[in-house]
Amino acid sequence: ILNVEQSPQSLHVQEGDSTNFTCSFPSSNFYALHWYRWETAKSPEALFVMTLNGDEKKKGRISATLNTKEGYSYLYIKGSQPEDSATYLCAFPPRGGSNYKLTFGKGTLLTVNP
Amino acid sequence: SQTIHQWPATLVQPVGSPLSLECTVEGTSNPNLYWYRQAAGRGLQLLFYSVGIGQISSEVPQNLSASRPQDRQFILSSKKLLLSDSGFYLCAWKRYQETQYFGPGTRLLVL
Repeated sequence: ILNVEQSPQSLHVQEGDSTNFTCSFPSSNFYALHWYRWETAKSPEALFVMTLNGDEKKKGRISATLNTKEGYSYLYIKGSQPEDSATYLCAFPPRGGSNYKLTFGKGTLLTVNP
Repeated sequence: SQTIHQWPATLVQPVGSPLSLECTVEGTSNPNLYWYRQAAGRGLQLLFYSVGIGQISSEVPQNLSASRPQDRQFILSSKKLLLSDSGFYLCAWKRYQETQYFGPGTRLLVL
């Protein structure tokens, strides 16, 4: 069974705060790590696909880093805004590198208070 | 550009009734197609995926089934719904090494 763990489960921050959360995954046979943002009543939106150890990707105020040797990825949000409120999911292909399917973590629910 | 459609958007069905949810993709060919479900308080669970017409892989045993009658059409069905089938159903597609793209979802409530 492939375990993708995300922490914290939920997070409340004030507008303007910077924040980060973690996705942990098995480090053996790494293939790729996906990050999604899922707003309430909408469908998940792809943020990043990360494949290389040490990778760092950025999209506006959101960035992510990847450590495949220790099996974790961090997602950072700089200067959080209320519209950043969403569940942030990470996902990982199963052992063997099959890219047909992804196993999702349970997500981190971020609430940004104005 | 590619788009993915799902319908209906919401559905309220009695226990024991049949189910048919449809997903279609435009603007691409031979995509991998996926059905996910999010039950209340749970994460996203992969139900089925398909790499081609008529090819269906089931991830979890349940009373649901899937079919892919055309290249860009994916259908989720049940002959008799259970209360535990309630949830948010998402269809997704991908090609090659790209990430998965999700449809708008169907919210199903079984009463």
